[in-house]
Amino acid sequence: QSALTQAASVSGSPGQSITLSCTGTSSDVGSYKLVSWYQLHPGKAPKVMIYEVTKRPLGVSDRFSGSKSGNTASLTISGLQTEDEADYYCCSYGGDSIWVFGGGTKLTVL
Amino acid sequence: EVQLVESGGGLVQPGGSLKLSCAGSGFTFTDSAIHWVRQASGGGLEWVGRIRSKPRNYATEYAASVKGRFIISRDDSENTAYLQMNSLRAEDTALYYCTRLQGGSVFDYWGQGALVTVSS
Repeated sequence: QSALTQAASVSGSPGQSITLSCTGTSSDVGSYKLVSWYQLHPGKAPKVMIYEVTKRPLGVSDRFSGSKSGNTASLTISGLQTEDEADYYCCSYGGDSIWVFGGGTKLTVL
Repeated sequence: EVQLVESGGGLVQPGGSLKLSCAGSGFTFTDSAIHWVRQASGGGLEWVGRIRSKPRNYATEYAASVKGRFIISRDDSENTAYLQMNSLRAEDTALYYCTRLQGGSVFDYWGQGALVTVSS
């Protein structure tokens, strides 16, 4: 199972909206509504931002939203804030009890 | 408060073994599937494997990269899961996280990670 494909880096200005993409295959992202997104700040435990493609856990800002089309999932962050600067990883169920992560996108808020 | 705490990381020589622990608290550990995920320095997250709960026969599954070398186990009486790593290679050097899979769909709680360095 290959890693999901994410852009290495993306940047935006405070207040802007940005969309991170995550491309898999018909065997993972395209087959299951089990895509989630995780935020990693250095030295801190990963935090789930979106799960089951579009669901937002309690306590996560509604500035974060998720979607999927075909083999590509997306995480949109609206009204960018400096604290959103972090690494973001997508994850999908890959079938046969296997899970696969993306390579991660480093978000810089300029 | 849900907590997962990894321990046991360290420096080990290539070909050596190391055993990580993951202690859970604040939730019903016995009902939870525990997964291990690692992150190499400068790299992305990589799913390592998982162990299911007793009702699901403590079933384990592993990523191809570690199958046959790593073993996941658990002791529900101690609310602890383990990752036994054998025949370690330089490419196993990473920060190892344990995490809980909730509802079969989301890794909702994670530990802070345990650093494993494989080097001579």
